[in-house]
Amino acid sequence: QIQLVQSGPELKKPGESVKISCKASGYTFTDYAMNWVKQAPGNGLKWMGWINTQTGKPTYADDFKQRFVFSLETSASTAYLQINNLNIEDTATYFCTRYYTGGFDYWGQGVMVTVSS
Amino acid sequence: DIQMTQSPSLLSASVGDRVTLSCKASQNIYKYLNWYQQKLGEAPKLLIYYTNSLQTGIPSRFSGSGSGTDYTLTISSLQPEDVATYFCQQYNSWLTFGSGTKLEIK
Repeated sequence: QIQLVQSGPELKKPGESVKISCKASGYTFTDYAMNWVKQAPGNGLKWMGWINTQTGKPTYADDFKQRFVFSLETSASTAYLQINNLNIEDTATYFCTRYYTGGFDYWGQGVMVTVSS
Repeated sequence: DIQMTQSPSLLSASVGDRVTLSCKASQNIYKYLNWYQQKLGEAPKLLIYYTNSLQTGIPSRFSGSGSGTDYTLTISSLQPEDVATYFCQQYNSWLTFGSGTKLEIK
C-alpha cells in the first residue's frame, strides 16, 4: 500500500537548522510531485511548495523562498525539507504530501518541529 | 494570490442532520477546488476533488458543488465520525487553503 513515512519530532533552538525526511513506498516515486504543507499550532494549512521528483527542481511559495530547501534522494524514494536559521514562527507540524491531478491524495503523518530557546 | 474564505468557522449539528459548509474564493477558480477532512492529531484526508468528484473510499454522504467563486461541501446525514475540521483548497493559481470549518456534534 502507498505510504509516506516522515521522520520524528524535532526540538531546535533559534538559529539552528533542521532536515525532515519523507520516505515514499508503494508507488513509483518519480511519477508524482511531492509537496510540503505547514500547519502551525491551532492553525490552518499553508502550502509551502513542491519538488519535481523527476528533475529535482523545487518551486517555493512566496512565504517560503528564503531559508527553506526541498531536496530528494531518488534512489531511496525520499524527499527532504530543510529549514535554515530557525525562528519561533517555524514551530509547526510539517507534512509531505503526494500531488495527483490537483489534489493531495496521500499524506505523511507529519513532523512536529518545535523552536525554543 | 487567491484568498479562500470558509464559513462558518465553527459548526455544531446533530447526528443525522444535513450539514453545509461554504468556501468562497477571491476570484473565479473555475471549479479547481478540493475538500479535505482533518481529524484531531491526524493528517488531512482528501474527500472531494475538482468540486464534485468523490475520492475513492469516501462515503457517499459527502458531496461537493459550486462554480465561479462559491463552493459547498455537504454531508447528507451527519455521523459521529465526521467530527473534524474541513478545509477547502484551490488549485487554479498556485495552491491556497481556506482557514477551515470545525464541525462538532451538538
